[in-house]
Amino acid sequence: QMLLQESGPGLVKPSETLSLTCIFSGGSFSSYYWSWIRQPPGKGLEWIGYIYYSGSSSYNPSLKSRVTISVDTSKNQFSLKLNSVTAADTAVYYCARGYCSNGLCATFDYWGQGTLVTVSS
Amino acid sequence: DIQMTQSPSSLSASVGDRVTITCQASQYISNYLNWYQQKAGKAPKLLIYEASNLETGVPSRFSGSGSGTDFTFTISSLQPEDTATYYCQQYDNLPPTFGGGTKVEIK
Repeated sequence: QMLLQESGPGLVKPSETLSLTCIFSGGSFSSYYWSWIRQPPGKGLEWIGYIYYSGSSSYNPSLKSRVTISVDTSKNQFSLKLNSVTAADTAVYYCARGYCSNGLCATFDYWGQGTLVTVSS
Repeated sequence: DIQMTQSPSSLSASVGDRVTITCQASQYISNYLNWYQQKAGKAPKLLIYEASNLETGVPSRFSGSGSGTDFTFTISSLQPEDTATYYCQQYDNLPPTFGGGTKVEIK
């Protein structure tokens, strides 16, 4: 059974860096792209970015200046760092597996359960 | 970014009813569209990929159609367990973008 599990602090202070990790188990880590997607409370879904197991990545232009996604293939995990956070970054953060079609690897077939990160002092 | 507009934003229907949700893209996206179901407090679940293909294990009462800029998602006979918010998502261009969601409730 394929599982993704997010972990990280649930509370981050304004102007600091949000850091989350996602561990994948139950399948192949290669040949897929690994995404972070967020959802502010009561709102819709926003793609943050993705990374391939080789390390190549792409980010949403709206967040690109503040985001870094990295991968550790030895542990089947990938991580998100979002710096200079504000209250607008408060959201449930999901990690997801994306498979490729049309040259984009953005059909998300497996998701973590999500983790709420609140930005507050 | 490609904007995805869903309608309606919410609906209430009876068990057994046919339910239809529409999704319009701000530009041509061929059939590069997915549909997800999100139940309260849970992660989204992929139901339909490439506009009309049913994901493995998803009940056949769910279907999708459309191409270009206009897409439709249908539940042929609404069941109580279908209470959820449904999202369309395009993957024609980066960044992938989602519609605003349609909340489906049982009357």
